Amino acid sequence: DAKTTQPPSMDCAEGRAANLPCNHSTISGNEYVYWYRQIHSQGPQYIIHGLKNNETNEMASLIITEDRKSSTLILPHATLRDTAVYYCIVRVRVSGGSYIPTFGRGTSLIVHP
Amino acid sequence: ETGVTQTPRHLVMGMTNKKSLKCEQHLGHNAMYWYKQSAKKPLELMFVYSLEERVENNSVPSRFSPECPNSSHLFLHLHTLQPEDSALYLCASSHATGGQGAKNIQYFGAGTRLSVL
Repeated sequence: DAKTTQPPSMDCAEGRAANLPCNHSTISGNEYVYWYRQIHSQGPQYIIHGLKNNETNEMASLIITEDRKSSTLILPHATLRDTAVYYCIVRVRVSGGSYIPTFGRGTSLIVHP
Repeated sequence: ETGVTQTPRHLVMGMTNKKSLKCEQHLGHNAMYWYKQSAKKPLELMFVYSLEERVENNSVPSRFSPECPNSSHLFLHLHTLQPEDSALYLCASSHATGGQGAKNIQYFGAGTRLSVL
C-alpha cells in the first residue's frame, strides 16, 4: 500500500506556479521523500528528494513541513511540457526488512495555456 | 536518455507464447526493479534485486519469472500470459535499497508496452 496521499488532479495556468501537495503522515523518522513525474506512457522521471530541509534544483522546489508529515512540490513557472502525473514517494519496509519505494496514484497535473 | 534501456519497446504475444523482456543499466547501480503499470492504475512493484537479495510481490503470478544474471542486466520471462497481463512494463535501477534512511533514487527505462492476444 502506498503511504502517501495526493489529490488526484490539479490544473495550472502556463507561467504560474504549480503547488502539488502530498501527505505522508506515517513516514519513518529518517526516510526521504521523493518526487517523480510521468509523462504519458513514458517511464517516471526523478525530480527531487528531501529529508527535513527545503530543497531546490533546476526542476523544482520541495517544501517539507517541520513535522515531516507533508510536503509540497513547487514548479515555479509551469509550462505545457510539465503536464504529467506527479508522484510523491516514500519507501515502505517489506517482509525481510528491505525498504522499497512505493508508488500511489499520484496527481495528474494539467498545465493550460 | 536515462541510462536504463529496455527492449523491446513494444511486444505482441499470444497466450501460448514464451517471450522475455530485457533491461540494461549503465549507471553503476546494484539494484534493479520490475514494475507493471496497467491502464489507469498505479505502478505495481513486481520484483526487486538489490545486491544479491530478491524481493518479490507475492501477488505476482508464476507466469512471470525474473532473472538477474548480474547487476547491469535484468530479464522478465513471460509464459502462458493472459489478456489481463497487457500493460506497460517498466524497469528501474538504483543504488542498493539499503536500510532505513538510505537514499534510493530510481532511474526508469522507457518501458515495454505488452499486448497479450
